[in-house]
Amino acid sequence: QLQLQESGPGLVKPSETLSLTCTVSGGSISSISSSAYYWGWIRQPPGKGLEWIGSIYYGGSTYYNPSLKSRVTISADTSKNHFSLRLSSVTAADTAVYYCVRRGSFMRYNNWGQGTLVTVSS
Amino acid sequence: DIQMTQSPSSLSASIGDRVTITCRASQSISNYLNWYQQKPGKAPNLLIYATSTLQSGVPSRFSGSGSGTDFTLTINSLQAEDFATYYCQQGHSTPITFGQGTRLDIK
Repeated sequence: QLQLQESGPGLVKPSETLSLTCTVSGGSISSISSSAYYWGWIRQPPGKGLEWIGSIYYGGSTYYNPSLKSRVTISADTSKNHFSLRLSSVTAADTAVYYCVRRGSFMRYNNWGQGTLVTVSS
Repeated sequence: DIQMTQSPSSLSASIGDRVTITCRASQSISNYLNWYQQKPGKAPNLLIYATSTLQSGVPSRFSGSGSGTDFTLTINSLQAEDFATYYCQQGHSTPITFGQGTRLDIK
């Protein structure tokens, strides 16, 4: 059974870079069998709705939300079967629960990590 | 960006009721519409994809319909475990966007 688990600091200072990793178990992010899937990140500010951050395809192509594109980098380490998120120049508005996800056909998100709260504060 | 608008933002219902949540896209998204249920402190859970296809393991009291710009999620015979927040999401084009959510409370 596929499982995704986020990890990283829960507190980041304003203007610094938020870095999270999603470790995947029960499946490979880089095998041909994974070619139907995208791996990505979605966030949810406390008490608010869901915002798509971006995705990475098994071949390495990346797709970002234009609203965050200048600050976001998503990368993958196939040897460790994990992918990562970096968000630079953070502000309090970036405080949110960050979920790593797997996307299938119809851009449906049928696998989610449990989520990790990242607070931006000095 | 495609804007997704859900209505109502919240509603109260009783166990056994039938409820309908609507989702409108700012432009046609064909049938690329997915629905999620989220309970407090938990990740969203996919209920329906491609407008009307039930995700594996989801009870048949959930159903979806629509096409183009107007979509509905219907829950027949509400159960206690159905009280949650529901989100629609368009999968037609990036950036992927979600509705603002509909909170379903017990009356």
